[in-house]
Amino acid sequence: GAVVSQHPSRVICKSGTSVKIECRSLDFQATTMFWYRQFPKQSLMLMATSNEGSKATYEQGVEKDKFLINHASLTLSTLTVTSAHPEDSSFYICSATPPGQGNTIYFGEGSWLTVV
Amino acid sequence: AQSVTQLDSQVPVFEEAPVELRCNYSSSVSVYLFWYVQYPNQGLQLLLKYLSGSTLVKGINGFEAEFNKSQTSFHLRKPSVHISDTAEYFCAVSGAGYGNKLVFGAGTILRVKS
Repeated sequence: GAVVSQHPSRVICKSGTSVKIECRSLDFQATTMFWYRQFPKQSLMLMATSNEGSKATYEQGVEKDKFLINHASLTLSTLTVTSAHPEDSSFYICSATPPGQGNTIYFGEGSWLTVV
Repeated sequence: AQSVTQLDSQVPVFEEAPVELRCNYSSSVSVYLFWYVQYPNQGLQLLLKYLSGSTLVKGINGFEAEFNKSQTSFHLRKPSVHISDTAEYFCAVSGAGYGNKLVFGAGTILRVKS
């Protein structure tokens, strides 16, 4: 079946550095992918919609210059957390839907980011 | 706009007892409703979803949910829980015109005790 994969699953980075998280659709092409984040003991919140070949659409309150999203191909979207701070420590997860599968939503495994 | 309210932040229950996790939603368009489970330090797993048709939806691991349009609810139920069902459960809504963007509820932690 369709699979969405994220890498890395866990990453620790130093405050002030940048870290990139990848979201891949392994056996289908995804023109749109969604990025969510989940702070500890909280729910998942949509951050942005990643659009292949065009700019991402960010939800209110999400800094587009801090969370850079690049959807350069039909199978890969990347989320780069720039100048990371401890408050960016969170669980980041992406989702995608294969063409023609309507409301079938596949999530990646998620990426745990810890900024120290 | 859409929103989801999960009325209970935590639900303790004894093993083999029935459980209901409550979810209410608000939407101005036709809705699609989902329940996901998240085990500690893991990602999301889809339990079940309602898109259209029969209002009683059966999912994996013995869970089911009933869509009630008049009460704008989508409560999750299981007749007999196991220790392994201990996890956090999220109700989510999408809808016509929203693509596959999901709005999640705050989550309900189900704690099954022996």
